[in-house]
Amino acid sequence: QQPVQSPQAVILREGEDAVINCSSSKALYSVHWYRQKHGEAPVFLMILLKGGEQKGHEKISASFNEKKQQSSLYLTASQLSYSGTYFCGTLISGGYNKLIFGAGTRLAVHP
Amino acid sequence: DTAVSQTPKYLVTQMGNDKSIKCEQNLGHDTMYWYKQDSKKFLKIMFSYNNKELIINETVPNRFSPKSPDKAHLNLHINSLELGDSAVYFCASSPGQGFEKLFFGSGTQLSVL
Repeated sequence: QQPVQSPQAVILREGEDAVINCSSSKALYSVHWYRQKHGEAPVFLMILLKGGEQKGHEKISASFNEKKQQSSLYLTASQLSYSGTYFCGTLISGGYNKLIFGAGTRLAVHP
Repeated sequence: DTAVSQTPKYLVTQMGNDKSIKCEQNLGHDTMYWYKQDSKKFLKIMFSYNNKELIINETVPNRFSPKSPDKAHLNLHINSLELGDSAVYFCASSPGQGFEKLFFGSGTQLSVL
């Protein structure tokens, strides 16, 4: 039930781009993205609710493809502040909804 | 003002002891959660409460007992601590029951020796 994230880790130079993928074996109704900096709490980035919907947060955007049951997070012109672990979460229904997170993608941006 | 605050930030204790973690949110949210983050950074939901009512209990050992005296507070009491309980515990809140935009507390790092 846990969504699968890839890659597990990414190393970038400032200004480079990256894509983080999140996929599920079950039908997706929404995808939630969070970023956690080292030693801090996870922070909400965005929720994608509709198939094909794209949203943005600063220079971070995401897409959601319901048919492929996957979402991708695009980090453009990365900054040092983008470093951290990115989690995608998907809602699992079963009486009450539960937000289940993937294992995370560690992103390190170097000068 | 901190939106979701947890205390203590660090907790070091011996196996077999009982400990509590407190959480308070001043956002006026209806739903609060406990998540556990293990050493591999895996974030797993433990409990959720909506207006003081337990909604989700995610097959957590009954040594863990959440308590919500009002909708702004959700505490976690852990009995007979075991080595495997060592983790970071995050409290979170959201406006409704649908896991819209979770606001996380800063976490409590629990180390069981």
